[in-house]
Amino acid sequence: GAGVSQSPSNKVTEKGKDVELRCDPISGHTALYWYRQSLGQGLEFLIYFQGNSAPDKSGLPSDRFSAERTGGSVSTLTIQRTQQEDSAVYLCASSFGAGELFFGEGSRLTVL
Amino acid sequence: SQKIEQNSEALNIQEGKTATLTCNYTNYSPAYLQWYRQDPGRGPVFLLLIRENEKEKRKERLKVTFDTTLKQSLFHITASQPADSATYLCALVVNAGNNRKLIWGLGTSLAVNP
Repeated sequence: GAGVSQSPSNKVTEKGKDVELRCDPISGHTALYWYRQSLGQGLEFLIYFQGNSAPDKSGLPSDRFSAERTGGSVSTLTIQRTQQEDSAVYLCASSFGAGELFFGEGSRLTVL
Repeated sequence: SQKIEQNSEALNIQEGKTATLTCNYTNYSPAYLQWYRQDPGRGPVFLLLIRENEKEKRKERLKVTFDTTLKQSLFHITASQPADSATYLCALVVNAGNNRKLIWGLGTSLAVNP
């Protein structure tokens, strides 16, 4: 597709389970970002990938969170042993270099 | 400390009027600034970018100004329409080593009443 694609769009899980969220960026975009947004709140930076450089993981809230980007394209955000406070919308965005960000529609995670 | 602030209170205006949203920042030297629109349940959508050496940028009914002395950007929507109702986010782009980093405001909610 032409835009950033995220899956699943909605995920309900039980506390303690692991979840994987996927992001398919726009083809050719070198930069990929993960953000988290709680209801009525701003964007919370999680992690940033730029080309082949080491990712900026400074926003990951705990070691339960990890992300990888394979082949410079698709990215997976993994949350281990989910907690209720992990409930939020997880947004992925891609850009070409330092240009404007193109966001996906997000993955809404609910931890019961 | 470094921070970026947008009008925290929702802005309500009458259709046809000009909406003005504010983005203030402290202790950053941004390379440029971006404005996005976010509708409920959707991801943000890019609107305009303005560079540090630009004073003003226009796109259709949108106008952005950037004053690096005041450390402020103003976002104007002229002849506003109910369809302009959304949350508007500003993002500073600052140099961070070999990369550029985005610093996001919390957004301002705009409601345009018919």
